[in-house]
Amino acid sequence: EADIYQTPRYLVIGTGKKITLECSQTMGHDKMYWYQQDPGMELHLIHYSYGVNSTEKGDLSSESTVSRIRTEHFPLTLESARPSHTSQYLCASSEDRGPMSQYFGPGTRLLVL
Amino acid sequence: GENVEQHPSTLSVQEGDSAVIKCTYSDSASNYFPWYKQELGKGPQLIIDIRSNVGEKKDQRIAVTLNKTAKHFSLHITETQPEDSAVYFCAASIGNTPLVFGKGTRLSVIA
Repeated sequence: EADIYQTPRYLVIGTGKKITLECSQTMGHDKMYWYQQDPGMELHLIHYSYGVNSTEKGDLSSESTVSRIRTEHFPLTLESARPSHTSQYLCASSEDRGPMSQYFGPGTRLLVL
Repeated sequence: GENVEQHPSTLSVQEGDSAVIKCTYSDSASNYFPWYKQELGKGPQLIIDIRSNVGEKKDQRIAVTLNKTAKHFSLHITETQPEDSAVYFCAASIGNTPLVFGKGTRLSVIA
């Protein structure tokens, strides 16, 4: 069982608010990822990090930003939330070496009104 | 870059029957192929994986096969049970790059 946590699990906010979605893992993994999952199931990689002070943009353009100051923590921030940001956000981490098995958190379901 | 196609998008089977989900990939350099199961309200969970130097792997009722020549891999679930109902994702990766996921298959097992 992977130890990766996301908070909050559900969030309803108004347009224009700044929000931060938290993700933490206790496995000491260097690699971490953020995915946006639309209602049609598809997973879109929006950000990833291969270690402290390293962040990269994923395949899907996103107005969110991330930071990686500590190995175990990879928060995602939306400076000004919009209804188009309504989605499920999934955080994952993977080991440094060997096959890139990713372990996912439970997700944060965001609704922007 | 890598592209992963997954079929079918939805699949309904009778309890006890087998289910097969197929994926194709575009980059012959891909060397790792995991499968994930996502239940309602949860994140995807790794259920089985295979590396490019292996043709088949089995774990109880689930098995994965890989055809490198044709660049496709499949998930086989035998003796399906209602708790197998979920969304299943295939993925592929090359070396140290992030996984590229298929679009998912919603499996329903009808009791």
